[in-house]
Amino acid sequence: EPEVTQTPSHQVTQMGQEVILRCVPISNHLYFYWYRQILGQKVEFLVSFYNNEISEKSEIFDDQFSVERPDGSNFTLKIRSTKLEDSAMYFCASRGRSHTDTQYFGPGTRLTVL
Amino acid sequence: EDKVVQSPLSLVVHEGDTVTLNCSYEVTNFRSLLWYKQEKKAPTFLFMLTSSGIEKKSGRLSSILDKKELSSILNITATQTGDSAIYLCAVERPWDSNYQLIWGAGTKLIIKP
Repeated sequence: EPEVTQTPSHQVTQMGQEVILRCVPISNHLYFYWYRQILGQKVEFLVSFYNNEISEKSEIFDDQFSVERPDGSNFTLKIRSTKLEDSAMYFCASRGRSHTDTQYFGPGTRLTVL
Repeated sequence: EDKVVQSPLSLVVHEGDTVTLNCSYEVTNFRSLLWYKQEKKAPTFLFMLTSSGIEKKSGRLSSILDKKELSSILNITATQTGDSAIYLCAVERPWDSNYQLIWGAGTKLIIKP
């Protein structure tokens, strides 16, 4: 069964460093998302991406964040200068176009900012 | 402001018990309501509900949507320790909002042997 994959599973970085989180969505899906979940808190929407551009973004997704789909298969989230409060689990999700589809999530990347 | 509220926040029951988890919502541009189960990592999909009053079933789990009351319940019968997880409810917006999900905080369910 096709699945969303994410790498790395755990990333540890120093405050102020740039990180890139990688996702490979399900191959025929058209909508892509990033979410984050701070430990013990609810899942929060960051950004959605459709037709090679950002379609919606939340207040959390400020200028420090960017997304790219560089090669038609990978979908990346970049955090330019990490802060302590960026420590969280980051989930990628993808969705097909059918009205019966739903979002399928990757296993997540745990980001720890020291 | 759109919101999804789940109750209870946590629940501890014994194996074999039946549980009912609640989700209520106030969301403009509703398309569907989704239930997910989250164990160690990513949420895994359980149900998508779009029509009021039609029960969806999968084994011991079932769910129903009430659009008049803006709510949904998730039932688990004959609970097992493997049902221990956080159960997340999310409302999906339509295609013109890119199917964005608005999440509840989850119900943490613990099943004691």
